[in-house]
Amino acid sequence: AQSVTQLDSQVPVFEEAPVELRCNYSSSVSVYLFWYVQYPNQGLQLLLKYLSGSTLVKGINGFEAEFNKSQTSFHLRKPSVHISDTAEYFCAVMGGGNQFYFGTGTSLTVIP
Amino acid sequence: GAGVSQSPSNKVTEKGKDVELRCDPISGHTALYWYRQSLGQGLEFLIYFQGNSAPDKSGLPSDRFSAERTGGSVSTLTIQRTQQEDSAVYLCASSAAGYRIETQYFGPGTRLLVL
Repeated sequence: AQSVTQLDSQVPVFEEAPVELRCNYSSSVSVYLFWYVQYPNQGLQLLLKYLSGSTLVKGINGFEAEFNKSQTSFHLRKPSVHISDTAEYFCAVMGGGNQFYFGTGTSLTVIP
Repeated sequence: GAGVSQSPSNKVTEKGKDVELRCDPISGHTALYWYRQSLGQGLEFLIYFQGNSAPDKSGLPSDRFSAERTGGSVSTLTIQRTQQEDSAVYLCASSAAGYRIETQYFGPGTRLLVL
């Protein structure tokens, strides 16, 4: 079975500072990994995804994530955050079955 | 073009009543998913439709939950004899291809409160 752990439920960070949102997964099979963002009062939208190939994946709005198979991690990073990045971020995995497994989410708050 | 829409946006009901939640996917999208997002929890997969294939119902939490997809487009999630633990945000998503790895486009959700 697959599962996703987002260790940080809330992450406050000052504007223009770097941020890392952590995601760890468990799976006995090859996985596809995703980060979704949910802005206030909006639906979830895809930030980036890892399917295969390069372990460093770049997404929208300057975000990137690195797939680390040995550590079973897929942490999301941005070198300099903006106020508009304030949102809920969800990590997800699709494993050998037919379901997506989502983490519990990390609430990122950017402080002016 | 228009995204995924869901209605109603909010629903308050009494315990024991039935509710219907509607999802209009993006036109032409063959795959449709329902998820439940409870407070402090991640998204919980409920059901998946792909074209004319039999739906994957493996995520439905009980037989009080059911879903239909008519004409390969609009979907309705029905919860019978609602319980307080059914209170959550119900999200619908659609994707263009039959493969799960394709990007899912999410609707804004229906916030259900069972009193």
